[in-house]
Amino acid sequence: DQQVKQNSPSLSVQEGRISILNCDYTNSMFDYFLWYKKYPAEGPTFLISISSIKDKNEDGRFTVFLNKSAKHLSLHIVPSQPGDSAVYFCAASFYNQGGKLIFGQGTELSVKP
Amino acid sequence: DAGVIQSPRHEVTEMGQEVTLRCKPISGHNSLFWYRQTMMRGLELLIYFNNNVPIDDSGMPEDRFSAKMPNASFSTLKIQPSEPRDSAVYFCASSRQVYEQYFGPGTRLTVT
Repeated sequence: DQQVKQNSPSLSVQEGRISILNCDYTNSMFDYFLWYKKYPAEGPTFLISISSIKDKNEDGRFTVFLNKSAKHLSLHIVPSQPGDSAVYFCAASFYNQGGKLIFGQGTELSVKP
Repeated sequence: DAGVIQSPRHEVTEMGQEVTLRCKPISGHNSLFWYRQTMMRGLELLIYFNNNVPIDDSGMPEDRFSAKMPNASFSTLKIQPSEPRDSAVYFCASSRQVYEQYFGPGTRLTVT
């Protein structure tokens, strides 16, 4: 039972353009969502997060949008840079489970110069 | 800050052997998590500790897997006996806040 889904295994974008990575979830009780970035041979690194009481959170070039009615979140990267090429994971959590994260399968982003 | 430290980075072993993976969390973090990443199942949580106490081990696949956290600066994940299907990358992560976890570089385990 995949509670967090990233339906696009890969995405290719031109440098300078917008990258939009999508994530869907099935459990409406999730109350916190995170995005992680992973380079080959490294562990995932935290990128940005959003609480379920918000619908947008911005940090520099990265913005996460949450649509609770659609159980959908997205990560926007503007402008995209070649160094952004990595695998991006979305994750969801219940506050009362002490930070236990449920991850999506990941989307591999390739930003071409 | 050195970040989360995992050892070894690579482990190759034969089926039936015991494997021990080690993790040193970031100093001051009170939660520690063990994950496994495979192509088939993605990144899945095996077990996590809070203040050195196991809180949720529902992700541990079977009795061959065990994890300990004897103190705040060290944890082990043991597989005994190992099987080829255990081949994966194992990550350790730690956190101080409830949600933002910091991952180590991972241990790539190959069981032949």
